[in-house]
Amino acid sequence: QSVLTQPPSVSGAPGQRVTISCTGSFSNIGAGYDVHWYQQVPGTAPRLLIYGSSNRPSGVPDRFSGSKSGTSASLAITGLQAEDEADYYCQSYDNSLSGSLFGGGTKLTVL
Amino acid sequence: EVQLVESGGGLVKPGGSLRLSCAASGITFTNAWMNWVRQAPGKGLEWVGRIISKSSGGTTNYAAPVTDRFTISRDDSKNTLYLQMNSLTTEDTAVYFCATEYYFYFNVWGKGTTVTVSS
Repeated sequence: QSVLTQPPSVSGAPGQRVTISCTGSFSNIGAGYDVHWYQQVPGTAPRLLIYGSSNRPSGVPDRFSGSKSGTSASLAITGLQAEDEADYYCQSYDNSLSGSLFGGGTKLTVL
Repeated sequence: EVQLVESGGGLVKPGGSLRLSCAASGITFTNAWMNWVRQAPGKGLEWVGRIISKSSGGTTNYAAPVTDRFTISRDDSKNTLYLQMNSLTTEDTAVYFCATEYYFYFNVWGKGTTVTVSS
């Protein structure tokens, strides 16, 4: 089954560092496809946060970083700020589906 | 500025049909690979399908839940993407977003249009 698995929720205090994992399989991340991350504030459209596993679009603070290894990837957020409270989704291409796949999403709470 | 604007959402009865549109501006639409992504109330993002540029073959791919019911098309002369949805069920209730695809990621998103399937 082609799925990307994320933890349902993570939390951290302002200024702290949090990571969000994204675990896939050999038909997506493990096949060499990059992982991309999106931030979504409820009620708004998703925003591209990280592309190509570790690249930031212009305008995204360098507090956000991404990495990939094997069949997994992770998003790290350092120096947590209240405005980072949102839902975060990983996404990759899956060759068994011939299409894209999203993780289930992770709700970040800034304490 | 690149902009995508979805329209056509609304209330439809189970078994009914609806056609969504996505008007693009600020991009060379002819070369754009376009996707539909949906989000059911309180749920995560779900990829619906994609159409690539005509110069790359113009092929479409769909997620399993919508295959044989949904059809993605494009009118490059109007810079518009379409999603024809047939045999709708309550499971199709969602906000539908269109998005441009670049090297397998979605770099520009519209604000979405809401589809409610209910009797």
